[in-house]
Amino acid sequence: AQSVTQLGSHVSVSEGALVLLRCNYSSSVPPYLFWYVQYPNQGLQLLLKYTSAATLVKGINGFEAEFKKSETSFHLTKPSAHMSDAAEYFCAVSPKTSYNTDKLIFGTGTRLQVFP
Amino acid sequence: GAVVSQHPSRVICKSGTSVKIECRSLDFQATTMFWYRQFPKQSLMLMATSNEGSKATYEQGVEKDKFLINHASLTLSTLTVTSAHPEDSSFYICSARDAARLGAGETQYFGPGTRLLVL
Repeated sequence: AQSVTQLGSHVSVSEGALVLLRCNYSSSVPPYLFWYVQYPNQGLQLLLKYTSAATLVKGINGFEAEFKKSETSFHLTKPSAHMSDAAEYFCAVSPKTSYNTDKLIFGTGTRLQVFP
Repeated sequence: GAVVSQHPSRVICKSGTSVKIECRSLDFQATTMFWYRQFPKQSLMLMATSNEGSKATYEQGVEKDKFLINHASLTLSTLTVTSAHPEDSSFYICSARDAARLGAGETQYFGPGTRLLVL
């Protein structure tokens, strides 16, 4: 079964520092991969997604992620953290099945704290 | 574009009552919507897939008679928690896929969530 693992339930960085949130997937066939952000008491907002095009994916708010098949990873990065980046980040996978029934399987999430 | 709304945003009810949560796609049509449940500080767990005009598909362990899903139109899906109990208290989030963009790996657009508290 497909699964996704996010290493580190909490990550703290200083404002202006590099942000690195880790995500590894488990699948015999590279799935579709997503990063979502959730602010308190809100739904999820898509940051970026990988659908087998370019391995380096650029998203909103300066985030990007690189798909590495050899490492089964899809880590999220941002060169310089901003206070407004503080939120919960979820990595998700979607198996490559019939497009009308795609499900999202979420990781456990990583809470990013940004200190001034 | 691609806005999904949920109503209500917060609801408090007594144990034993039923609660209906609406999920609407505001600027696109959605043949498929998804319902998730999120416990505090935990991830989202898919409860069911809602398909317009047909029965919902429930994930293993989710009671279909307790969590009634109706997807009567291309822009509206409802989740009814029947005979709610305190353990049903949670954050319920819906998402929708744009019917005009059914390519594989297409984005799900999420609603803002509904916080249910059962006393």
